[in-house]
Amino acid sequence: QVQLQESGPGLVKPSETLSLTCGVSGYSISSGYYWGWIRQPPGKGLEWIGSIYHSGTTYCNPSLKSRVTISVDTSKNQFSLKLSSVTAADTAVYYCARSPDYYYMDVWGKGTTVTVSS
Amino acid sequence: QSALTQPPSASGSPGQSVTISCTGTSSDVGGYNYVSWYREHPGKAPKLMIYEVNKRPSGVPDRFSGSKSGNTASLTVSGLQAEDEADYYCISYAGSNNLVFGGGTKVTVL
Repeated sequence: QVQLQESGPGLVKPSETLSLTCGVSGYSISSGYYWGWIRQPPGKGLEWIGSIYHSGTTYCNPSLKSRVTISVDTSKNQFSLKLSSVTAADTAVYYCARSPDYYYMDVWGKGTTVTVSS
Repeated sequence: QSALTQPPSASGSPGQSVTISCTGTSSDVGGYNYVSWYREHPGKAPKLMIYEVNKRPSGVPDRFSGSKSGNTASLTVSGLQAEDEADYYCISYAGSNNLVFGGGTKVTVL
């Protein structure tokens, strides 16, 4: 059974960089699929952040692209998200997910809450 | 403001059907058969219910069905059950390696 688990700081200061990691168990990232990040601000809907193919090719939401870095570490079977210059608007529950084709997600992590505040 | 438009709420009695719409443009919903639907219970991770407009993943009951007409995709839940009370989101491919989401629909089982 494939499982994904987000980890990282729950509190980030404004203007700093948000860093999250998604550990994958039950499946080897190097075997394929896309791996992505989605977020949900409090009381709002879901927003796609971006996805990375196991080979390293990335796709990002154009509205976030300038601040987003997604990377994959096949040796640790995990992938990561970095979001720079954060503001309060980046406060959200962040989910990682697996995508058989990057336009849909078939396995999701439980999500982690990140608050941007000084 | 979400790129795809969903009604904020929908409801039905147990055993009845409810249909949720997801309206976009010819650049996303209307242009590709890459619409997916997710069910989200409070505090839980979203669950894939439909992908590529009308395909059900293994384990999803056939009470859930998807369709598309023009720029509008729809999710129909037949035989409503208490567990179907949740938020439902649609996602569509929008070209140029971009995805767009709907704002979500809260389904209430009366």
